[in-house]
Amino acid sequence: DQQVKQNSPSLSVQEGRISILNCDYTNSMFDYFLWYKKYPAEGPTFLISISSIKDKNEDGRFTVFLNKSAKHLSLHIVPSQPGDSAVYFCAATNSGNTPLVFGKGTRLSVIA
Amino acid sequence: EAGVAQSPRYKIIEKRQSVAFWCNPISGHATLYWYQQILGQGPKLLIQFQNNGVVDDSQLPKDRFSAERLKGVDSTLKIQPAKLEDSAVYLCASSAGQGRYGYTFGSGTRLTVV
Repeated sequence: DQQVKQNSPSLSVQEGRISILNCDYTNSMFDYFLWYKKYPAEGPTFLISISSIKDKNEDGRFTVFLNKSAKHLSLHIVPSQPGDSAVYFCAATNSGNTPLVFGKGTRLSVIA
Repeated sequence: EAGVAQSPRYKIIEKRQSVAFWCNPISGHATLYWYQQILGQGPKLLIQFQNNGVVDDSQLPKDRFSAERLKGVDSTLKIQPAKLEDSAVYLCASSAGQGRYGYTFGSGTRLTVV
């Protein structure tokens, strides 16, 4: 039973364009969501998060949008750069009181 | 600050052998997690420690996996005996408090069982 779903295994985007990575969740108890980025042979690194009391959070080129009614969040990267090529994981928790539950990840390739 | 240290980086063993992984979290981080990441999947929690006590081990296959965190600092994860399906990257992570502030992950140990 996957509580966090990333239905696109891969995404290819041209440098300078927008990358949009999507994530859906099923557990209505989740109220805090995080995105992690993972390069090969490295551990995941925290990228950006959003609380359920917000519908948007921005950090430089990265913006996360949350649609609670649809149980859907998305990560926008604008403009995309070749260094953004990595696997992106969506994760969720219940107020941080439960361990993070991760999606399967989306591999982003930014083409120069 | 120093990151989460894990060793070894890679390990190849035959099925039915035993293996152990070591993790040293960020100094002062009370919570430590072990995750298993099978190729093509997201990280899956195996066990969570708060100081040296187990908080959640509901997804740990206890017939073959064991973990301990002595003195609330370093942790070891052991598999005995290993199966082919245990081939994965084992990630250790730590956090200062609640997970809403994110975890810091180590680079992981890639285990191949042949």
